Amino acid sequence: DGGITQSPKYLFRKEGQNVTLSCEQNLNHDAMYWYRQDPGQGLRLIYYSQIVNDFQKGDIAEGYSVSREKKESFPLTVTSAQKNPTAFYLCASSPLTSGGEQFFGPGTRLTVL
Amino acid sequence: AQSVTQPDIHITVSEGASLELRCNYSYGATPYLFWYVQSPGQGLQLLLKYFSGDTLVQGIKGFEAEFKRSQSSFNLRKPSVHWSDAAEYFCAVGPMDSNYQLIWGAGTKLIIKP
Repeated sequence: DGGITQSPKYLFRKEGQNVTLSCEQNLNHDAMYWYRQDPGQGLRLIYYSQIVNDFQKGDIAEGYSVSREKKESFPLTVTSAQKNPTAFYLCASSPLTSGGEQFFGPGTRLTVL
Repeated sequence: AQSVTQPDIHITVSEGASLELRCNYSYGATPYLFWYVQSPGQGLQLLLKYFSGDTLVQGIKGFEAEFKRSQSSFNLRKPSVHWSDAAEYFCAVGPMDSNYQLIWGAGTKLIIKP
């Protein structure tokens, strides 16, 4: 079955540590996205990528980094520079054609202790 | 400024009753419009989308939405809700010339009374 996988489902880290969240898709989509979700704030775009080896900052990129070495993979690193990293992180993908809706993974809940 | 407003943070509806979730947007041109649903601790699932044509759009799980250009609204409706509809619902709009940078509403949490 085609879809998006995110791992792990839950992640705990100590303050000051970098952590990498995995996102893999087998939908053959060109575009991939990372969102952060906090209660009552909807989804906020962290980074997006439309093609391998290229990505753009979203609205809240500070303290995060990404890579896109393969079409299928778009890992997100939450660095120690992120002031408030505890949140629910969602990865999505979409085709590049106009109006292509975004398909979402199940999310990773990151808790920084 | 471009924005999406979902005026209701929470809505409580009795099982079997009808439902309408509101979505208003501010956008420079007619956008693509989406409704997504999110169960607790899960990712988002697309319910329906509007691109063009008939302004009444049918989606999955018995949902429909009506695009009203004059009111800049895209309200989601269901004639009779089931306990399994309890979730959070998000409205999103996006430009017609690309598929990224969707603008998201803050969501409406639907609570079903037995």
